[in-house]
Amino acid sequence: NAGVMQNPRHLVRRRGQEARLRCSPMKGHSHVYWYRQLPEEGLKFMVYLQKENIIDESGMPKERFSAEFPKEGPSILRIQQVVRGDSAAYFCASSSGRAAPYEQYFGPGTRLTVT
Amino acid sequence: AQTVTQSQPEMSVQEAETVTLSCTYDTSESDYYLFWYKQPPSRQMILVIRQEAYKQQNATENRFSVNFQKAAKSFSLKISDSQLGDAAMYFCAYRSVQGETSGSRLTFGEGTQLTVNP
Repeated sequence: NAGVMQNPRHLVRRRGQEARLRCSPMKGHSHVYWYRQLPEEGLKFMVYLQKENIIDESGMPKERFSAEFPKEGPSILRIQQVVRGDSAAYFCASSSGRAAPYEQYFGPGTRLTVT
Repeated sequence: AQTVTQSQPEMSVQEAETVTLSCTYDTSESDYYLFWYKQPPSRQMILVIRQEAYKQQNATENRFSVNFQKAAKSFSLKISDSQLGDAAMYFCAYRSVQGETSGSRLTFGEGTQLTVNP
């Protein structure tokens, strides 16, 4: 059973470009979470999605960031007009949502570098 | 809002020795989950151990065990017989069980970098 997959693993963007990060949850999982890890810091929650629904986006910056989890295909975290401060590792986690403790399984992360 | 604090940015231990990593948290909730995650240089987040707040018994997983003190809001991780492969960043995390939205996110501490000396 494949784990959570994220691609690309590394992404380099110039300031002002768009970054699209993809996350495929574990098979059978319909809940996806995105976290951001700035250098030398812990992971910070960004957004929680279920298929076709955003459940909690309270950790998402108000501008330039958006997330979706369509009925078919991976979840996408989109960052428009990237700035140097967006450089970080972005982790996706998934859970089945069917039984406590709703354990979250993490992907390997995407390291975004903005030049 | 819940907060998680790890007061030890770095720790070191000799191979085969025992080390304890500290974690405290702040919450007004009575039921929740606590986790320790390991992040090796590969950056993959690996779940080490989990504790349900309603359980008084401390969780154990092979060489890893926790000391859960609910009243003190303390959740330390003990690693016995340390191995070179234990070297990593360790994160303590909190998860509420209240409600569909607030109950879903993990709140992480800032991490403790563990070095294992041969």
